[in-house]
Amino acid sequence: DAGVTQSPTHLIKTRGQQVTLRCSPKSGHDTVSWYQQALGQGPQFIFQYYEEEERQRGNFPDRFSGHQFPNYSSELNVNALLLGDSALYLCASSFGETQYFGPGTRLLVL
Amino acid sequence: GIQVEQSPPDLILQEGANSTLRCNFSDSVNNLQWFHQNPWGQLINLFYIPSGTKQNGRLSATTVATERYSLLYISSSQTTDSGVYFCAMRAGGTSYGKLTFGQGTILTVHP
Repeated sequence: DAGVTQSPTHLIKTRGQQVTLRCSPKSGHDTVSWYQQALGQGPQFIFQYYEEEERQRGNFPDRFSGHQFPNYSSELNVNALLLGDSALYLCASSFGETQYFGPGTRLLVL
Repeated sequence: GIQVEQSPPDLILQEGANSTLRCNFSDSVNNLQWFHQNPWGQLINLFYIPSGTKQNGRLSATTVATERYSLLYISSSQTTDSGVYFCAMRAGGTSYGKLTFGQGTILTVHP
């Protein structure tokens, strides 16, 4: 049984560009959450998707948007990239209480 | 929102030593998880433990929800235990949504 997968593993962008990150949940999981982890910090909640709708959102600007597909996979889009968006982006899937995390995408904004 | 405080921030051990990591939180919770983040960034689930005690090999965890703290015990530590340990939780009253993470404890185990 494959765990949570994310792509790409690494990404380099320049300020002002747009980026799309992808996540496939564990088999049987219907809920996907996204987190941003800056260097030396704990992960910060961006939003959660369930039944193709954004169910809860953290304290992130509208430049951060997402989508969930009928197969439960999800995308995170970030527009107008800033240097401060450089971070590890983690996707977590769940069915019930326990959240399981993918390996993350490391985004560097130059 | 809920406040989560982990201690100690850093811990250095010799292989074979035991350790206790602590997580204090400011409000009632209905979900509490412990994770180990390896050097490549992968968050590995250790325990789902909103209350009570669980054990898995050399690791065990206890959450005393009424006193708003959780403890992670590591016995006979190994170099592969090195990494960052996070507790994360969801405030009571909600059945879904965000986990709030602590700042983590950086554990280094020397051979």
